[in-house]
Amino acid sequence: DSGVTQTPKHLITATGQRVTLRCSPRSGDLSVYWYQQSLDQGLQFLIQYYNGEERAKGNILERFSAQQFPDLHSELNLSSLELGDSALYFCASSLGVGARETQYFGPGTRLLVL
Amino acid sequence: GESVGLHLPTLSVQEGDNSIINCAYSNSASDYFIWYKQESGKGPQFIIDIRSNMDKRQGQRVTVLLNKTVKHLSLQIAATQPGDSAVYFCAENNGQAGTALIFGKGTTLSVSS
Repeated sequence: DSGVTQTPKHLITATGQRVTLRCSPRSGDLSVYWYQQSLDQGLQFLIQYYNGEERAKGNILERFSAQQFPDLHSELNLSSLELGDSALYFCASSLGVGARETQYFGPGTRLLVL
Repeated sequence: GESVGLHLPTLSVQEGDNSIINCAYSNSASDYFIWYKQESGKGPQFIIDIRSNMDKRQGQRVTVLLNKTVKHLSLQIAATQPGDSAVYFCAENNGQAGTALIFGKGTTLSVSS
């Protein structure tokens, strides 16, 4: 158990809908990262937050957004969902923002868009 | 495009054998590399990391080798056990996206007893 929690574990929804994925980092970690894992693209970095502020952005679609709250939990919002958004979404956390910080991953949320 | 990749998508070994999983990277500026293990239905689990100022690092039953000359990384697992069956990813940090990790596509290790 990495100490990172994610809810829900599974999510089934329809195209055009909006969902919110939630992540709680390990105790003491200030950085939260979101990744998408699909069969054809592998693990892709989406976005990073550090202590409530956006720190880095990867291949995140404009339909997706995220935030990190004062208690350091983070939410990833996915809107206008398309079939191709079906994937595993992982949250990871690390203590700080150093380039060599170990990132610990949560168990993921499996999203299925029908 | 993707800068980190693995040579083989699958590797099958017998229990007790040593396993070697390879990874090539293309960005010579990358300075931190990590191996993760992902079991079915779970998130990636940190195994071991190495910085570019090292060429070898050892953990419990695992060794990571880094060859910067040919931009090659390998993970060696000694005395492979059925519990080692998983997908193994190498990842790099090259500073282009803050501290984000860039993952390769993974090698599936199957251990038969």
